[in-house]
Amino acid sequence: AQSVSQHNHHVILSEAASLELGCNYSYGGTVNLFWYVQYPGQHLQLLLKYFSGDPLVKGIKGFEAEFIKSKFSFNLRKPSVQWSDTAEYFCAVNARGNTGKLIFGQGTTLQVKP
Amino acid sequence: NAGVTQTPKFQVLKTGQSMTLQCAQDMNHEYMSWYRQDPGMGLRLIHYSVGAGITDQGEVPNGYNVSRSTTEDFPLRLLSAAPSQTSVYFCASSFLPGQGPPEAFFGQGTRLTVV
Repeated sequence: AQSVSQHNHHVILSEAASLELGCNYSYGGTVNLFWYVQYPGQHLQLLLKYFSGDPLVKGIKGFEAEFIKSKFSFNLRKPSVQWSDTAEYFCAVNARGNTGKLIFGQGTTLQVKP
Repeated sequence: NAGVTQTPKFQVLKTGQSMTLQCAQDMNHEYMSWYRQDPGMGLRLIHYSVGAGITDQGEVPNGYNVSRSTTEDFPLRLLSAAPSQTSVYFCASSFLPGQGPPEAFFGQGTRLTVV
């Protein structure tokens, strides 16, 4: 069975600080990896995704993530956060060939202080 | 193009009552899923469907039923509501593009309280 673990549950940063959110997954086969963001009161939106190729993927709003296969990790990064990045962030994994079955991590709440 | 539409947005139920959460998508996506979101637990998959007439259990299926008679609709039924089912429920539809991973679209959510 697949599982996803996010290490940081609640992160507080000042504007312009750098961000790194950890994500590890457990699954023996090939996976697709995702990061979603949920702004207060809104539904989930896709930040970025990894399928194959370059393990460093860039997403919207200046976010990027690096897939390290040997570590089963897919950490999210942003060099300089803004107050508007305050949201909850979810890492998710989907076993290749099992479309429709996304498994999410517990989520990380990011609070950016102006 | 409405995307994924969930109704109702809010609902309060008494313990033991039954109800159906509606989910409809107008994008002709094959795949649909239901999740519940609880603080500190992330989103957990309840049931999913890979096409009309085909459904399967997710991580937390107990107490919920689904059916998929059409491509567009994927209702979630609570048979006998319990306080433990108080949660925010999200429906998603997804498709597999010609190249790349599946793309999922989420509804706005239904906030359910069971008293």
